[in-house]
Amino acid sequence: GAGVSQTPSNKVTEKGKYVELRCDPISGHTALYWYRQSLGQGPEFLIYFQGTGAADDSGLPNDRFFAVRPEGSVSTLKIQRTERGDSAVYLCASSLSGRGAGTDTQYFGPGTRLTVL
Amino acid sequence: QKEVEQDPGPLSVPEGAIVSLNCTYSNSAFQYFMWYRQYSRKGPELLMYTYSSGNKEDGRFTAQVDKSSKYISLFIRDSQPSDSATYLCAMSKYGNKLVFGAGTILRVKS
Repeated sequence: GAGVSQTPSNKVTEKGKYVELRCDPISGHTALYWYRQSLGQGPEFLIYFQGTGAADDSGLPNDRFFAVRPEGSVSTLKIQRTERGDSAVYLCASSLSGRGAGTDTQYFGPGTRLTVL
Repeated sequence: QKEVEQDPGPLSVPEGAIVSLNCTYSNSAFQYFMWYRQYSRKGPELLMYTYSSGNKEDGRFTAQVDKSSKYISLFIRDSQPSDSATYLCAMSKYGNKLVFGAGTILRVKS
């Protein structure tokens, strides 16, 4: 079946602009995660959803970052007033239950490469 | 200091060599330990998962966790050029929010 898909694959924007990044999880997966990966670093947790609700948003760096998952499937990560430091690859992952059973594998999408000029 | 430390490499080995990758961590609450492989411009893919301490083997890959030392390892036997990638260790308290190391770049030369 289809894996996790993310659009756009690349996004170039100017400082101060608003951007939206989209994630389509694997069908039937109730948990969805957003991570950010800066160059030469591992992914850094941002937020995770259990169904429609954010179960843990402790990784969002500030109030310019917001994510939604209104119908429990597709999710959108929204960044307001973008800054050059927001440039990174934004990765989305989904898993079957998100209940932390350990065997609940997170499957990652290819990421959206965001560049803020 | 980061919660998870991983030598970024690069690590360059000849084809057929045994590769040893490792991570150290500071949070004793971590219970779930994973190794992901990431090819250039792709998302990470899960290679190995271990709960608590112990060893786990899957084909050419062996994962070890030593919670007393807060140290985890991944061994790759008979390494192949197709194993060239970035290897990320990841760990979690409950299995959902993952904390990653910086990744080790591995190059296997044919």
